[in-house]
Amino acid sequence: DAGVIQSPRHEVTEMGQEVTLRCKPISGHNSLFWYRQTMMRGLELLIYFNNNVPIDDSGMPEDRFSAKMPNASFSTLKIQPSEPRDSAVYFCASSPQGLGEKLFFGSGTQLSVL
Amino acid sequence: GESVGLHLPTLSVQEGDNSIINCAYSNSASDYFIWYKQESGKGPQFIIDIRSNMDKRQGQRVTVLLNKTVKHLSLQIAATQPGDSAVYFCAESPYSSASKIIFGSGTRLSIRP
Repeated sequence: DAGVIQSPRHEVTEMGQEVTLRCKPISGHNSLFWYRQTMMRGLELLIYFNNNVPIDDSGMPEDRFSAKMPNASFSTLKIQPSEPRDSAVYFCASSPQGLGEKLFFGSGTQLSVL
Repeated sequence: GESVGLHLPTLSVQEGDNSIINCAYSNSASDYFIWYKQESGKGPQFIIDIRSNMDKRQGQRVTVLLNKTVKHLSLQIAATQPGDSAVYFCAESPYSSASKIIFGSGTRLSIRP
């Protein structure tokens, strides 16, 4: 198995631009998570999906952030408009049984908003 | 190892020695605990987990100990190798409910040759 695949690996953009991060979970996993990691705040859960349905988005910082999971093999996290404080590493993870079971993380997207 | 802010606590260990990384958790309702390893430029990687009905679990070169009385978790790595250099996170979760996995702030393990 190729594991969780994220793209792009690095994204550099200017403030105000739209950013779209992509994730392909491990086949057969029914839960998908988006995390953000910064030095100051560590790993923060933004949103998680179960069977393609958003279950908890209370970690999404603002309306500028949105996430979709149109099918079991693809999810996006969009920031519009982006701001410098959004600079972080964004991780996607999937799990075979949902919260409470071990997560499999992708390699992350390093986002820099200038 | 708990820390807030920019500075991760660092554990420096001689290659070949055993490492012990500690974690204090906060939620008494947590009944599932996981250790993750994060190498530079990579996502966290599952190492070992333990449920609250156990106080010890062993894997390959790793052992997790759980003390529910004082809400303390530790990860022991036997015969530490250079490849063990990473940031280690503990995580807690109430398994029986659809709630968030909470990650600790991490401990950096540095190996001395």
